[in-house]
Amino acid sequence: QSALTQPRSVSGSPGQSVTISCTGTSSDVGGYNYVSWCQQHPGKAPKLMIFDVSRRPSGVPDRFSGSKSGNTASLTISGLQAEDEADYYCCSYAGSYTWVFGGGTKLTVL
Amino acid sequence: EVQVLESGGGLVQPGGSLRLSCAASGFTFSTYAMSWVRQAPGKGLEWVSGISGSASSTKYADSVKGRFTISRDNSKNTLDLQMNSLRAEDTAVYYCAKALYGGMDVWGKGTTVTVSS
Repeated sequence: QSALTQPRSVSGSPGQSVTISCTGTSSDVGGYNYVSWCQQHPGKAPKLMIFDVSRRPSGVPDRFSGSKSGNTASLTISGLQAEDEADYYCCSYAGSYTWVFGGGTKLTVL
Repeated sequence: EVQVLESGGGLVQPGGSLRLSCAASGFTFSTYAMSWVRQAPGKGLEWVSGISGSASSTKYADSVKGRFTISRDNSKNTLDLQMNSLRAEDTAVYYCAKALYGGMDVWGKGTTVTVSS
């Protein structure tokens, strides 16, 4: 049950694109197409932004996209906006009703 | 409206017990797995425990195994977390979440647990 590995911070200017990586193992990220990404603003509950590696819940802008290759998943945010500044967490299903989160990445919009 | 609402948090002494509850509404509760996720002050999200829709399967993070017990009452649309032998490191905001395999799509606002003497 080791946490997935994410960069501690990323940054970008408004209008630019940023990508956040999430590295796990063959027992979690690599073993299932069940990676999700949550956004969390300070003092707020997490919000699901991407599920099933690349699907967006209703209401999430198409500026948010997800992908996976092997044991590494990625979240790309294009056309950065000020309100995208938040913490982002990846999460992977690890089998038998267990999940594992990444350590979180702080996105700063410059 | 689909929502979950946690309750039961508070201040407890080390070694003590606390029971968290989560009330679900707006979806067919028994159809979905549920999870508890916590966030220690200034730290990231940590998956704590999960339970299948029928309650036939329950799982725990190593950090809480043997001390916490997850349960659900599908007739009342409620999810519980019984926490025993609490430690300072269990201090966190505890979130209840509707758990799809591919992601947790409904989150509550959280309930705060503080373990301190």
